[in-house]
Amino acid sequence: NAGVTQTPKFQVLKTGQSMTLQCAQDMNHNSMYWYRQDPGMGLRLIYYSASEGTTDKGEVPNGYNVSRLNKREFSLRLESAAPSQTSVYFCASRAGLAVSSYNEQFFGPGTRLTVL
Amino acid sequence: LAKTTQPISMDSYEGQEVNITCSHNNIATNDYITWYQQFPSQGPRFIIQGYKTKVTNEVASLFIPADRKSSTLSLPRVSLSDTAVYYCLVGLTMDSNYQLIWGAGTKLIIKP
Repeated sequence: NAGVTQTPKFQVLKTGQSMTLQCAQDMNHNSMYWYRQDPGMGLRLIYYSASEGTTDKGEVPNGYNVSRLNKREFSLRLESAAPSQTSVYFCASRAGLAVSSYNEQFFGPGTRLTVL
Repeated sequence: LAKTTQPISMDSYEGQEVNITCSHNNIATNDYITWYQQFPSQGPRFIIQGYKTKVTNEVASLFIPADRKSSTLSLPRVSLSDTAVYYCLVGLTMDSNYQLIWGAGTKLIIKP
């Protein structure tokens, strides 16, 4: 039981390049989340998926797109990376439906992205 | 407009009780208050969750007053391994929309 896995662990991009961050969970959870964490700051919700086939915007969705490929996988895409997107990206999953804070979220190890 | 507010940092000593408070003025009516712990280069880890009054588990207690505009995480008899950043998480009603908002985190340093 691996929990929540994320790939890659580290990535360096040039401005304007695109990439997809992958996330998978093996806990049969319904909800999945993508966050970014900037140095010295809390987490900010980018997008979430309450269930397979649904996605919704969070607090900071601009510049990102997501795909809930199936119940296990939730990917985050940067179409044209900008230096302001330099951050650590965390994926999380939760058993319950909807975006609520109720129920424990389980986090992946994070992807450290640098955009030059 | 502050969404959630936590102290930036706190220091304490091994064996002491530590209390960290988070204020959340616009908490959604039916939402819970959750606290997470984060070590460097790791994702946050769930500590405790509550709706009102007091909740206790094997690692912490959570105190929530009747107006639910704040909450206090209490860590009994801390050790060096409790050095970490602690976040509160709530659902807030902002401009009639529900948003999931994390506090900025409290960096707790435990000294021997």
